[in-house]
Amino acid sequence: DADVTQTPRNRITKTGKRIMLECSQTKGHDRMYWYRQDPGLGLRLIYYSFDVKDINKGEISDGYSVSRQAQAKFSLSLESAIPNQTALYFCATSGGSTDTQYFGPGTRLTVL
Amino acid sequence: EDKVVQSPLSLVVHEGDTVTLNCSYEVTNFRSLLWYKQEKKAPTFLFMLTSSGIEKKSGRLSSILDKKELFSILNITATQTGDSAVYLCAVGLIQGAQKLVFGQGTRLTINP
Repeated sequence: DADVTQTPRNRITKTGKRIMLECSQTKGHDRMYWYRQDPGLGLRLIYYSFDVKDINKGEISDGYSVSRQAQAKFSLSLESAIPNQTALYFCATSGGSTDTQYFGPGTRLTVL
Repeated sequence: EDKVVQSPLSLVVHEGDTVTLNCSYEVTNFRSLLWYKQEKKAPTFLFMLTSSGIEKKSGRLSSILDKKELFSILNITATQTGDSAVYLCAVGLIQGAQKLVFGQGTRLTINP
């Protein structure tokens, strides 16, 4: 079984809809991250969390919100989706003193 | 602003060739440099480097860091078609946040 899972894997929605992307991990890591990937732009950090009570904005948090429901669960919401939020979204986790992050399989989101 | 730049952005070679991928960075509070391989979806971890001049090696892949000149290279010898992927470089920062700043990636295509 995968250590980091994301649901859904693909989603097509319309402008103005509310969307939630979910991430779960079984690695026991305390830190969790949400990124988006656009062609030619690498991975950009949206939000990150050190533990259930700690949520921090990344470089592109506008238009997004997150919830850390438990140590193993971190969800990303788009309150009112817009077409330029069409992208590949990754969740990642990290633990201990290492910088290494482990990625989920990604969610491909299309906003029409 | 923290910045990570990879070159080339795209590279096409023949099977059996040796390739060198470059990653340069301008960041405050450098702690580590990481390389990831991204095939279909999720980036998978290759190496983490923290000290200058010490080569990390895994099979046909190797990497080295130069903290004075602020760059790293990833070498792949005797390339195979399975090496075709996007290679991502990321820098870890000392900020208590353990965030990664990613480069744009290098798309490597190995032709048979």
